[in-house]
Amino acid sequence: ILNVEQSPQSLHVQEGDSTNFTCSFPSSNFYALHWYRWETAKSPEALFVMTLNGDEKKKGRISATLNTKEGYSYLYIKGSQPEDSATYLCAFRGDNFNKFYFGSGTKLNVKP
Amino acid sequence: DTAVSQTPKYLVTQMGNDKSIKCEQNLGHDTMYWYKQDSKKFLKIMFSYNNKELIINETVPNRFSPKSPDKAHLNLHINSLELGDSAVYFCASSKAGQPQHFGDGTRLSIL
Repeated sequence: ILNVEQSPQSLHVQEGDSTNFTCSFPSSNFYALHWYRWETAKSPEALFVMTLNGDEKKKGRISATLNTKEGYSYLYIKGSQPEDSATYLCAFRGDNFNKFYFGSGTKLNVKP
Repeated sequence: DTAVSQTPKYLVTQMGNDKSIKCEQNLGHDTMYWYKQDSKKFLKIMFSYNNKELIINETVPNRFSPKSPDKAHLNLHINSLELGDSAVYFCASSKAGQPQHFGDGTRLSIL
C-alpha cells in the first residue's frame, strides 16, 4: 500500500492571509506529482504537474514546490481570497505510468 | 461541449440490481480511468484503460467490470449491487504524462 498524505486536513483562514499545505509521498520511484483544485459540486481541476526535484510552479497567487529526495511538495496561496475555497488534492505517480495515488486533500475555507 | 461526461449523475437502486455508468471524453485522450471516492473522501483508482486496453485493474470485486468500446468511452458495469458500493464514482481521462480531466461524478446510492 502506498501512502500519500496531505496536511492539514482542513484550514480556515481570513481573506488576505497567505497559507500553505503539504503533500507527502514515497521518496523512491518518483515519476510525477500533480496538484488539483476541487471545488464543491464540481470535478477536480489540474493546477500543476511537477516532475523534477526542486521544481517550482506558479499560477497567479498559487505556487508549488517539490522535493523528491525527501518526498514532499508544498502548495502556497498568497493573499487568499474567498474564491480560493476548495479542496486541494495531490496525486503521486510512481513507476507505473498511469497509476495515480491521491491524498485525501486539504479543505481550505477562506472567510471574507 | 463537456470534456468528460458521465451519466447518470445520480443513481439510486436496490441491493442486488445490476447497473451501468457511462463515461465519454471528447478530448482525444488515450487513457481513461475509473475512481471510487470512499467514505474518507479518498479517490481510489479502480481501472485504467489505454487505447481500449486494460492496464490497471486494482483489487475490486469481480462484480465490477469496465468496458471500453473505443478510446473515447469507458463504461462501468456493476453486478449484484451491495450496500458497500454506495459511493461517488469518477471517470477521468488524460494524455500520456498530462494531468487528468475528471467528470462530475456519479453518486450511487444503494437502498
